[in-house]
Amino acid sequence: AQRVTQPEKLLSVFKGAPVELKCNYSYSGSPELFWYVQYSRQRLQLLLRHISRESIKGFTADLNKGETSFHLKKPFAQEEDSAMYYCALVRGGFGNEKLTFGTGTRLTIIP
Amino acid sequence: GAVVSQHPSWVICKSGTSVKIECRSLDFQATTMFWYRQFPKQSLMLMATSNEGSKATYEQGVEKDKFLINHASLTLSTLTVTSAHPEDSSFYICSARSGEGATDTQYFGPGTRLTVL
Repeated sequence: AQRVTQPEKLLSVFKGAPVELKCNYSYSGSPELFWYVQYSRQRLQLLLRHISRESIKGFTADLNKGETSFHLKKPFAQEEDSAMYYCALVRGGFGNEKLTFGTGTRLTIIP
Repeated sequence: GAVVSQHPSWVICKSGTSVKIECRSLDFQATTMFWYRQFPKQSLMLMATSNEGSKATYEQGVEKDKFLINHASLTLSTLTVTSAHPEDSSFYICSARSGEGATDTQYFGPGTRLTVL
């Protein structure tokens, strides 16, 4: 069964310190993984996707198939990074893709 | 960027009544819309997938007669909670996707908070 695990419900980091939000997945095929972010009083929005290998707002995430992980990292945390972060996995065949979300990690940046 | 709206943003209703929630893609045509439910401090749980002009596909455990979904146009999908009960109180979120591939982004609505008294 497809599953996304985010082991930390809460994470507090000092401003300027490195951030790592953990995400592990279980999926039998080749995974498509995303990170979504929800800032306070705002809607859920896409942060980045592994297939693009991009860096958004200083965040990066590398797919590690050996460890079945897709951790989100940023070298220097900023106060505006405080938000709820969800890791998500695509499941289903072509034309029937759906997202399975992890339980989320609330990141708080301490000034 | 693509915008998805939901209406109403919150609704309070009496037990036994039905409530309709609208999800609109404002500046793009959505071939597929998704309906999620989110309990407090929990993740988003997919309820159903809605394709324009066809019947919705419900996830296991979701009652299709309880949660009626209609996707009448490429910009509008509605979720009707029929004969609502207090246990249906939740945050309902829709998303819309313009393409059919996994890499096509889902754009999320702001959510609708339903409280059933």
